[in-house]
Amino acid sequence: KQEVTQIPAALSVPEGENLVLNCSFTDSAIYNLQWFRQDPGKGLTSLLLIQSSQREQTSGRLNASLDKSSGRSTLYIAASQPGDSATYLCAVGPLRGNNRLAFGKGNQVVVIP
Amino acid sequence: DAGVTQSPTHLIKTRGQQVTLRCSPKSGHDTVSWYQQALGQGPQFIFQYYEEEERQRGNFPDRFSGHQFPNYSSELNVNALLLGDSALYLCASSLGTLNEQFFGPGTRLTVL
Repeated sequence: KQEVTQIPAALSVPEGENLVLNCSFTDSAIYNLQWFRQDPGKGLTSLLLIQSSQREQTSGRLNASLDKSSGRSTLYIAASQPGDSATYLCAVGPLRGNNRLAFGKGNQVVVIP
Repeated sequence: DAGVTQSPTHLIKTRGQQVTLRCSPKSGHDTVSWYQQALGQGPQFIFQYYEEEERQRGNFPDRFSGHQFPNYSSELNVNALLLGDSALYLCASSLGTLNEQFFGPGTRLTVL
């Protein structure tokens, strides 16, 4: 069974600092990895998708890396802004023959103005 | 291009009742997955529908059932509601069963 862990569970940073969010997973036989953003009480917004053959993806101030061999992914958010305050979820899958996404519990981020 | 839509937005039911949640996939998508997200937790996979059949199922009891229609929209039914069924129910659609999933805004179910 795929286990996904996100550390830290919660963090606060002053505006302008870079954010580093970590995700680890137990089974490296993944098809892709997605990072999502979730605002309180809302649905999930996809931020970045990394295919299993890729090492990283970038979009604006966001960069996500993937190391399948060690079962780790890192999401970097450069020059954080108060609008970046949200919960960030990491999801892996689908595995061959297993089409579900397995999620971590999220990193709850507060950017202090 | 409309994204994934879900209805209703919020729902309040009492224990023992039955509920139906609805999902319309993103245009061009043919696969719908359902997830349950309890407060403070990550989403948990319920099941996935493709070609009007349930293709994969998570660790949820038979009280949770679903359906996919020829237009690819989907319903999630929960019978004999329990307090523990209170959660945000998320629908995701994709093109095929292995590709990127796009999520809807969710339905907040409260069971009293």
